[in-house]
Amino acid sequence: AQTVTQSQPEMSVQEAETVTLSCTYDTSENNYYLFWYKQPPSRQMILVIRQEAYKQQNATENRFSVNFQKAAKSFSLKISDSQLGDTAMYFCAFMIIDQFYFGTGTSLTVIP
Amino acid sequence: EAQVTQNPRYLITVTGKKLTVTCSQNMNHEYMSWYRQDPGLGLRQIYYSMNVEVTDKGDVPEGYKVSRKEKRNFPLILESPSPNQTSLYFCASSLSDPRGIRHEKLFFGSGTQLSVL
Repeated sequence: AQTVTQSQPEMSVQEAETVTLSCTYDTSENNYYLFWYKQPPSRQMILVIRQEAYKQQNATENRFSVNFQKAAKSFSLKISDSQLGDTAMYFCAFMIIDQFYFGTGTSLTVIP
Repeated sequence: EAQVTQNPRYLITVTGKKLTVTCSQNMNHEYMSWYRQDPGLGLRQIYYSMNVEVTDKGDVPEGYKVSRKEKRNFPLILESPSPNQTSLYFCASSLSDPRGIRHEKLFFGSGTQLSVL
């Protein structure tokens, strides 16, 4: 069975500080893709960052970066220089062939 | 503008009254899927479709039906809704390699908040 675990239901960070959201997953497959999605209060699902499992280099997108540890099946998201607009629910997800699997989410609040 | 359009955004209904939530995408994507989002459970896949006339069950298909008669449309049908289907529903689409090896990111609709009384 494929599972995604986000062990931090809620987190907070001071504006301009750095925060790391954790995610672990379980699969016996070797080829898959990993994602972090952001869901602000508007409910819209927004892709934050994407990582191919066959790539060793960690993906980065501006202030967002991941620490991908394939052997440990870990895929954490680091947000640098946190901004008020980063306040949202963050979902970790991975995709194998046809199906996407999502974690339960981490609610992040950026404090002014 | 490239988008996934879901309708309606909000829906209140009663137990047993059949309903359809529509989903349409204008990006010529092969892959489309439906999810439900519940507090503490994240998003769970209901059904997905790799192309026209090809649909498969996700993790929570019970009580739902889908059809893919055209590439752009992927409606979600609740034949006899029950209160445990009260949830936030998302439709999503993406490009897919015909071999199913690679996908681009998922493009999500704006969501449909369904309440079944």
